[in-house]
Amino acid sequence: AQKITQTQPGMFVQEKEAVTLDCTYDTSDQSYGLFWYKQPSSGEMIFLIYQGSYDEQNATEGRYSLNFQKARKSANLVISASQLGDSAMYFCAMRDPRGAGRRALTFGSGTRLQVQP
Amino acid sequence: DTGVSQDPRHKITKRGQNVTFRCDPISEHNRLYWYRQTLGQGPEFLTYFQNEAQLEKSRLLSDRFSAERPKGSFSTLEIQRTEQGDSAMYLCASSSTAAFEKLFFGSGTQLSVL
Repeated sequence: AQKITQTQPGMFVQEKEAVTLDCTYDTSDQSYGLFWYKQPSSGEMIFLIYQGSYDEQNATEGRYSLNFQKARKSANLVISASQLGDSAMYFCAMRDPRGAGRRALTFGSGTRLQVQP
Repeated sequence: DTGVSQDPRHKITKRGQNVTFRCDPISEHNRLYWYRQTLGQGPEFLTYFQNEAQLEKSRLLSDRFSAERPKGSFSTLEIQRTEQGDSAMYLCASSSTAAFEKLFFGSGTQLSVL
């Protein structure tokens, strides 16, 4: 069964500094997609970034970048120049066409990031 | 951009009662998903529709749960004979048929079963 592991329940970072949120995954397939979502206290899941398993370059979206290391099965999220508004839960997720459901996302347990002024 | 809307935001019910939640996806999206999220956990997939067809159902979706999307637009999720273990946030998401299919989530319905 596919699995997503986020080993950091909580992280602190100073405003304007960079932070890395860890994510490892387990799949037996060669074709899969990796996602990061942000969930503020309002509850809505906000898409941040996507990495396909065949993408050769690390994905970037503004201040977000994904450090994709396929051999190690890791997909860490890097947030540069942290802002107070970045304080939220962050979830790593994977879509594995041969997993629980062809279109389903499997989510990790999340990391709570707190940005300190 | 109206986003995905869910109604109600909060629902408190007594054990054994039936509840129904509604999700209105982004209008041009043909795919709709339901997820359940308990405290301290990531969302868990429940079911998926493409247009009006329910194409995937998780084993988490017991016989007490039923979801519909009658005209391929809004969707409802009904839970019959609610149990305390059904207490959770129920999230709806929609997407278009795109290359990597980014999901747009609603703010969810928080269910509390007393």
